[in-house]
Amino acid sequence: QVQLQESGPGLVKPSETLSLTCTVSGVSVSSYYWSWIRQTPGMGLEWIGFAHAIGTTELNPSLKSRVTISVDTSNNQFSLKLSSVTAADTAVYYCARDRGTMVRGVYFYEMDVWGQGTTVTVS
Amino acid sequence: DVQMTQSPSSLSVSVGDRVAITCRASRNITNYVNWYQQRPGKAPNLLIFGASNLHSGVPSRFSGRGSGTDFTLTISSLQPLDFATYYCQQSYNTPRTFGQGTKLETK
Repeated sequence: QVQLQESGPGLVKPSETLSLTCTVSGVSVSSYYWSWIRQTPGMGLEWIGFAHAIGTTELNPSLKSRVTISVDTSNNQFSLKLSSVTAADTAVYYCARDRGTMVRGVYFYEMDVWGQGTTVTVS
Repeated sequence: DVQMTQSPSSLSVSVGDRVAITCRASRNITNYVNWYQQRPGKAPNLLIFGASNLHSGVPSRFSGRGSGTDFTLTISSLQPLDFATYYCQQSYNTPRTFGQGTKLETK
């Protein structure tokens, strides 16, 4: 059974860097793309970006200048770094597996396993 | 970015009701739509991928249809556990984007 668990500080000061780690169990982190998503009452669900162990990343242009997502195969983890945070970055942060599924010759992409989420407050 | 617009934003329903939630994309995304259920305080759970494919373990009362710009999630007979918020999400391109959610409330 694939499980994901976010970890990191729950409180970050403005202008500092938010750092979160997602520990993956039940599957090798090398085998999939891995996403970060955040949720706020005002903005709803916002996809931050995804990364693969081979080095491929795609980031949301709205956050791209401040975001780094990396994959650590030795610890079966992936991480998020968001720099220069403000109160607007206060959110619940989720990690998720970004899976590709072939159906009748067509690949679809979905986030099929999520961590429980971690609340990060910028203050 | 592809904008995903859900309607309604909330719905008052009863156990046993047939429920339909719609999602409209701002451009043609063929059938690259996923649907998620989120209960309070929990992470979203995948229900449907590729507009109409039921994710493993999801009850068959959930179904999805649509293509192009218009999509629908249907719950054939609402059960107590289904009172939650539902989100559509496009995977046609990046950035992945979500609808604003539809909350099912007790009538």
